[in-house]
Amino acid sequence: AQKVTQAQTEISVVEKEDVTLDCVYETRDTTYYLFWYKQPPSGELVFLIRRNSFDEQNEISGRYSWNFQKSTSSFNFTITASQVVDSAVYFCALIRDSSYKLIFGSGTRLLVRP
Amino acid sequence: DAGVTQSPTHLIKTRGQQVTLRCSPKSGHDTVSWYQQALGQGPQFIFQYYEEEERQRGNFPDRFSGHQFPNYSSELNVNALLLGDSALYLCASSNTPFGDRESRGYGYTFGSGTRLTVV
Repeated sequence: AQKVTQAQTEISVVEKEDVTLDCVYETRDTTYYLFWYKQPPSGELVFLIRRNSFDEQNEISGRYSWNFQKSTSSFNFTITASQVVDSAVYFCALIRDSSYKLIFGSGTRLLVRP
Repeated sequence: DAGVTQSPTHLIKTRGQQVTLRCSPKSGHDTVSWYQQALGQGPQFIFQYYEEEERQRGNFPDRFSGHQFPNYSSELNVNALLLGDSALYLCASSNTPFGDRESRGYGYTFGSGTRLTVV
């Protein structure tokens, strides 16, 4: 069975702090894709990143960085120097190569206080 | 360039009633997926439509049905509403190019959703 676990239900930090959101996944497939989405209060899911199972290189995009480790089935997301605008719910998701279904974790609510 | 448009934004229905939600995909997209997001939970896949047919279905009862029109827009219908159907319903559009394996999940654009409340 495929599953995505985000153990952190809610995280609260003060602006400019670094914060890491954890994601652990389960799948028996060798080919799969991992995602992070941001959901602001308006409701729409905003795509942040997609990684395939063959590419374990870490990625950095501005203040965002992602650490993909197949050995521990983790795909963690770090925000450096957090800002109030980063406050949102963040979802990690998985899609199998044989499927069109995104499997989401339960999300982590991030609150960045001024 | 408009993104994914969903209507209505909010809806209140009574148990046992039927509801239709609508989705217009992003320009250039031909595939529509529907997700149900209960409060405090991650979205759950309902089904995906491509070429006016249901291509894949999640673990939802037959009360949930859909349709895709020739212009790629889509409807989600829910019959015999239950209190547990109260949720945010999200539509996602994407493109399915030839050799879509590499596109899997890439470029899904989500709408802001329809908030359905069943009383």
